[in-house]
Amino acid sequence: QVQLQESGPGLVKPSETLSLTCTVSGGPNNRYYWNWIRQPPGGGLEWIGYINYRGTTNYNPSLKSRVTISVDTSKNQFSLNLKSVTAADTAVYYCARAVRGTGPDAEFHHWGQGTLVTVSS
Amino acid sequence: DIQMTQSPSSLSASVGDRVTITCQASQDIGHFLNWYQQRPGKAPKLLIYDASILESGVPSRFSGGGSGTDFTFSISSLQAEDFATYFCQQSNNLPVTFGQGTRLEI
Repeated sequence: QVQLQESGPGLVKPSETLSLTCTVSGGPNNRYYWNWIRQPPGGGLEWIGYINYRGTTNYNPSLKSRVTISVDTSKNQFSLNLKSVTAADTAVYYCARAVRGTGPDAEFHHWGQGTLVTVSS
Repeated sequence: DIQMTQSPSSLSASVGDRVTITCQASQDIGHFLNWYQQRPGKAPKLLIYDASILESGVPSRFSGGGSGTDFTFSISSLQAEDFATYFCQQSNNLPVTFGQGTRLEI
């Protein structure tokens, strides 16, 4: 059974960089799209971006200037860096797996449990 | 970006009721529409993908339909564990986008 687990600091200061890691276990990790999605408290879901098995990234234009997603296949991990954070970046951050970026098989069958990141001084 | 509009934003119902949620896309997304259930404090769970395909292990009381810009999601006979928030999501175009959610309350 595939499992995803987010990890990282729960508190980040304004203007600093938010860094999270998603560790994947329990299944083959090749040929997938690895996504980050966030949800502010009491709010809706916002797709942040993905990195695929070729190392190709795609980001939400609303966050593109501040986001970097990378992968470490040797550790079965992928990571999110979001720089210059403000209080508006306070959210639960989820990692999720898809088979493709868009079209068939682009739905998110597997999610991490989520991790709350609060931006505050 | 494709805007996804769900309605209603909240819904009160009773165990045994049939409920329907609608999701409208701001442009044609074919059948690449997915539905998720989210319980408080938990990650979303995929229920239906490609508009009408039931995810493995999901009870058959859940169903979905539609294509193009207009989609529906139904629960045929509500159970206690179904009271949660439901989100639609389009996966036809990047950035993928979600509806604002429908909170289903007792």
